[in-house]
Order: sequence, then C-alpha cells, then structure tokens
Amino acid sequence: SQTIHQWPATLVQPVGSPLSLECTVEGTSNPNLYWYRQAAGRGLQLLFYSVGIGQISSEVPQNLSASRPQDRQFILSSKKLLLSDSGFYLCAWKVGRYNEQFFGPGTRLTVL
Amino acid sequence: SQQGEEDPQALSIQEGENATMNCSYKTSINNLQWYRQNSGRGLVHLILIRSNEREKHSGRLRVTLDTSKKSSSLLITASRAADTASYFCATDPDRGSTLGRLYFGRGTQLTVWP
Repeated sequence: SQTIHQWPATLVQPVGSPLSLECTVEGTSNPNLYWYRQAAGRGLQLLFYSVGIGQISSEVPQNLSASRPQDRQFILSSKKLLLSDSGFYLCAWKVGRYNEQFFGPGTRLTVL
Repeated sequence: SQQGEEDPQALSIQEGENATMNCSYKTSINNLQWYRQNSGRGLVHLILIRSNEREKHSGRLRVTLDTSKKSSSLLITASRAADTASYFCATDPDRGSTLGRLYFGRGTQLTVWP
C-alpha cells in the first residue's frame, strides 16, 4: 500500500541552528515529490518539487534547500534557521492521473 | 499570485445544514482540487474538477467550476460534526504537464455544531 512518512513529527530549534526534515514514501517508484510550508492560519506554500533523483526545483527564494538522494526520499534542509522558518511542513507526492496529491502527516517546526 | 482564495475564511453551521465554500483564482488552470485538513494533520484529497467540466459530485460533495469567472464552489450537504475541518482549494496551472504543481488558498475553517 502507498504510505508517506515524515519525521520528526515536531521540532523545536533555536535561531541559527541547522535543520533536516525527512520524507520517505512507500508503495511507489519514481514519484513526483513536493515540500509545502503552512504558516499559522495560512494556506500551503509550495517550496520545492522534484521529478526524480537529484532533480530539485525551487518555487520561492528562501533560507531552505531540498535534496533527493534516493528515489523515495526527499529532504528539506537549512544551514541556519530563522524565526520566519517556523511552520507546519508537509511532504506530498503526485498519485493521480490529474496531479492529485497524497500528503504526509507533517512536521511542526518552531524556531525560538 | 497563482494561489486560490477561499471565501468565507470561517463558516459555522448546525448539523444537517449545507455548507458552501467558494474559491477564486487568477490564472488559467488544468484542474481545480479541493482538500480537507483536520487540525494539525496532513491534507486529504476530496474531489477534482477538470477545466472542461462544470459540475461534479462525490457522495455529499458537489463542486462547480466557472472558468469564465475563475471561480469554484464546494457544497457539503447534510453536514455532520465530523465535517469540522479546514477546506482548501488548489489550482493546477500546468496544462499538459506532469509537474503536478499545486497552488493553495488560505482555506475555509468549517465548524459544524451538533
């Protein structure tokens, strides 16, 4: 069956510290993968998407980067976190013929 | 911006009533999708309507699309307390593409009182 994992579930980090969030999918191969951020009370903002290993596209300039070292692994990183990086980070993959997306459970990041 | 905008931002109704949420967008689209998010959870896909469709049904959900007005509506009939959640519209602007980028609005928070 198709499953998507994200960890950690919650994270509290000081300003200036590094970040690594991981997303892995099961039950599919060569998926299109996406990272979104949801600020408090806001909609989802598409951050990065990847159509294959090593292929990353960035939607908005920011303090974050993404990597896809394996087919079913998508990583979101930062060298130095900012307060504005706080939010709910969601990983998703394209599952349908018409670009429907299946979302992971999310990671709640608080930067203090 | 390519994002959709939902209206209203918040909606509070009694069980059994119908809930209508609207979405407006600015660019041409391949399709428009509606998602639901329970508090603190990931999003769940509800229904998709393609740009050449005007209305679609799925169970208690009815979605309409007016591409001339660049707007869509989601109707939930006979609402239940379990329908309490945030509802988001998402537009897929990439005609003929498999990129699958979606652009979301800020959502409508629906509260259904027992």
